[in-house]
Amino acid sequence: DAGVTQSPTHLIKTRGQQVTLRCSPKSGHDTVSWYQQALGQGPQFIFQYYEEEERQRGNFPDRFSGHQFPNYSSELNVNALLLGDSALYLCASSLVAGSSYNSPLHFGNGTRLTVT
Amino acid sequence: GDSVTQMEGPVTLSEEAFLTINCTYTATGYPSLFWYVQYPGEGLQLLLKATKADDKGSNKGFEATYRKETTSFHLEKGSVQVSDSAVYFCALRGGGTSYGKLTFGQGTILTVHP
Repeated sequence: DAGVTQSPTHLIKTRGQQVTLRCSPKSGHDTVSWYQQALGQGPQFIFQYYEEEERQRGNFPDRFSGHQFPNYSSELNVNALLLGDSALYLCASSLVAGSSYNSPLHFGNGTRLTVT
Repeated sequence: GDSVTQMEGPVTLSEEAFLTINCTYTATGYPSLFWYVQYPGEGLQLLLKATKADDKGSNKGFEATYRKETTSFHLEKGSVQVSDSAVYFCALRGGGTSYGKLTFGQGTILTVHP
């Protein structure tokens, strides 16, 4: 049973560029959330996708956008990269349909983004 | 808004010592509470959870009790092992339909020496 998979594992970009990160949820899950984890900090919620729509968003600028596909996989896009966007980006999946809202999140190993 | 505060780290213990990592929270309604663990180079793994007051979550010798009166969810383990060395995060999921949004504490680094 494959867990949450993210690609790529590492990425180096230059300030001002754009980046796309990808996530495949755990088998059977229908909801994907994205988190940013700066070095030495706890993860910060970016947004959540369910039924191909953004359902909830954290305090992140519009430079951060996403998409969910019919197969439940998801992309995170960041435009006009800043040095401060350097972080570990974590994808988490869960099951909403037919379950309680306490369904736990399953996290991927993340994509380490470095902006130079 | 929701917030989680964890005890300052890092925490360094000898093998078989008793572990406590303090966690307090602020939230509206009736949040669910979680402890996640992150090993080097990996994502977060759910360690345990509690969904209502006085619930005790437990897993792999770790325990935490949801204390609504003190808004706390302290993590404990009676005898730690070297393999428990990791970063531990306390988190909450607020009330309502926020299925995906977890609010995390800043994390506590645990190092266990033989």
